[in-house]
Order: sequence, then structure tokens, then C-alpha cells
Amino acid sequence: QSVLTQPPSASGTPGQRVTISCSGSSSNIGRNTVNWYQHLPGAAPKLLSYSNNERPSGVPDRFSGSKSGTSASLAISGLQSEDEADYYCAAWDDSLSGWVFGGGTKLTVL
Amino acid sequence: EVQLVESGGVVVQPGGSLRLSCAASGFSFEDYSMHWVRQVPGKGPEWVSLINWDGGVTYYTDSVKGRFIISRDNSKNSLYLQMNSLRTEDTAFYYCAKDGGGAAGISTWGQGTLVTVSS
Repeated sequence: QSVLTQPPSASGTPGQRVTISCSGSSSNIGRNTVNWYQHLPGAAPKLLSYSNNERPSGVPDRFSGSKSGTSASLAISGLQSEDEADYYCAAWDDSLSGWVFGGGTKLTVL
Repeated sequence: EVQLVESGGVVVQPGGSLRLSCAASGFSFEDYSMHWVRQVPGKGPEWVSLINWDGGVTYYTDSVKGRFIISRDNSKNSLYLQMNSLRTEDTAFYYCAKDGGGAAGISTWGQGTLVTVSS
């Protein structure tokens, strides 16, 4: 059972905009920033967004993170077939003194 | 380019021990905190441990406290995870990850190494 809650699946057609949610609590998302990762089969997980809404260099601006209260979300616009992957949110948890992750959302591009 | 290469994953019996290694390159290793994160296929990742730049500060998830030890050798650009009293529930892919510094948190991940605890 993951500390952060994500929907298990999401889908969209090419060109569409999809949003993946991540729900936490006051001890994690409520007090700390959120990161988002993309995990393609056979590859290392990749950082897509950090500090709620910052993009590492090389990440397309189609990916954007946001946070409000104890929830966060990742929006992917202009959906492409290569975006089909698992997506995870993460944040530091002050009560646990450690990082916590969501259970992951499998994105399917129809 | 940041590169993290894990090694040491094998099949081990319950109660056994194992040491994972992570060879880092492409960045100033001694300047960054490092993490171990594990993942059972089909489930979300689970953060395991964190070590600061000089090894003086460490954190562990509750399920591995007293059994796992994280360490680093900055002269060898290497990160380690000593795993003792292994349990079947420790079976997972183990990833070495670089901290981004500041509020960036866990940034670059390695490809992972598979640890299987089974009799």
C-alpha cells in the first residue's frame, strides 16, 4: 500500500491532454515539494518534474507539474505514443523521515 | 552525462546477506547525497535509504532499519548497500539514485539490479 495515492490507469489519444493526480497528506505533499517520474519498460526511471513544477533540462514543456494543498498533478499535453509508460509521484515525508512514492499510473495512448 | 551502474544482485536464501554496489560517473560524486530505491515489478517504488555527501547522515525506511547499512566511498565514486537478515519481501529491483541537491530530491536513477530472496 503506497503512501501517496494515484489512479492505477489513465488513457488518451494522440494530441490530447491528460492529467494524472497524486494525493497525499499534511506530512508529505502538504509540507514538501513533489517530484514526478516516468518509467519506460526496460529503462531507468526518469525525472520529469521536481519542486512541484520545475522541469529538468531536456524534458519537453508538454510535461507540467502542479501542486495544491495535499495533492499534486502531472499534465501531459500533445500526447504522443512514446509517452506510454508508468508515471510515479514522490515527496519527502516529515513524519516518516523518508521519501514516499505513489503506486504508479499506467498511461495508455490509444 | 551522469551514469549510475548497480551490481551485486543475485538469488539468496532467507536470512542471508548481500552487498550491492553502485559505480557513479559523470558528476562530482562527493558533492551529492545518494539514495537506494527498490521496486517490485507491478508496484510503486519504495525508497530504502539515503546517505549524505560525506556519509555522516543516513536515513532508512522502517522495514530495513537494523538490517541494511548504506555507505559510500568517495575516493572510489561508489555507493553500497549491505543487506543482512534478508527476507522474501526484500525481493525487488534495487536502484541507485543521485540526489539533485536542494529541493530537487531523487533525480537520476541507475538501471537497477535484481535481488531475489528465495529458498
